[in-house]
Amino acid sequence: QKEVEQNSGPLSVPEGAIASLNCTYSDRGSQSFFWYRQYSGKSPELIMSIYSNGDKEDGRFTAQLNKASQYVSLLIRDSQPSDSATYLCAVNDNDMRFGAGTRLTVKP
Amino acid sequence: KAGVTQTPRYLIKTRGQQVTLSCSPISGHRSVSWYQQTPGQGLQFLFEYFSETQRNKGNFPGRFSGRQFSNSRSEMNVSTLELGDSALYLCASRDTRTSIRETQYFGPGTRLLVL
Repeated sequence: QKEVEQNSGPLSVPEGAIASLNCTYSDRGSQSFFWYRQYSGKSPELIMSIYSNGDKEDGRFTAQLNKASQYVSLLIRDSQPSDSATYLCAVNDNDMRFGAGTRLTVKP
Repeated sequence: KAGVTQTPRYLIKTRGQQVTLSCSPISGHRSVSWYQQTPGQGLQFLFEYFSETQRNKGNFPGRFSGRQFSNSRSEMNVSTLELGDSALYLCASRDTRTSIRETQYFGPGTRLLVL
């Protein structure tokens, strides 16, 4: 069974801080990795995709991938209250598998 | 481009009934996947359709079925509903013309309540 694991949280950070979200996956052959954000009562929306080892930056968001260690992380710099949501890690092999999500709260 | 649309948005059914949910993908997307999301189990993959053929299937009982039409619209059917089927059902589409790396885009979901 291919697994995607995330810390369920909740994770609470003050406004302006860096939020760090982590995800591990079990299938060493996985090639595509995604971070989705889901606000309460809404559907997931894509934040970042990453396919190669290393860092990928997009605005305040940085995704990090380490295939040898089988983990992918998401850093949110200068966290804002509007970043408060559940963040889902997803790994795409033959099908897309999601972690349980980490609930992030950014306190003003 | 219009996003993924799902109908209906909300549905209330009773145990034993059946239900059909509909999903229209983003124009040009030929892959449609269905997911069930519950507070306890998170987001779980149901199945994926591509060019009217089921390409992958998750670990759900046979009461859950789907199909895809030639215009890429997809329907999902759940027969003999159980209380545990109450969930948010999400549809996602992606453009698979180049590689498996294409991003999935989610619809707003159908919230099903089984009484």
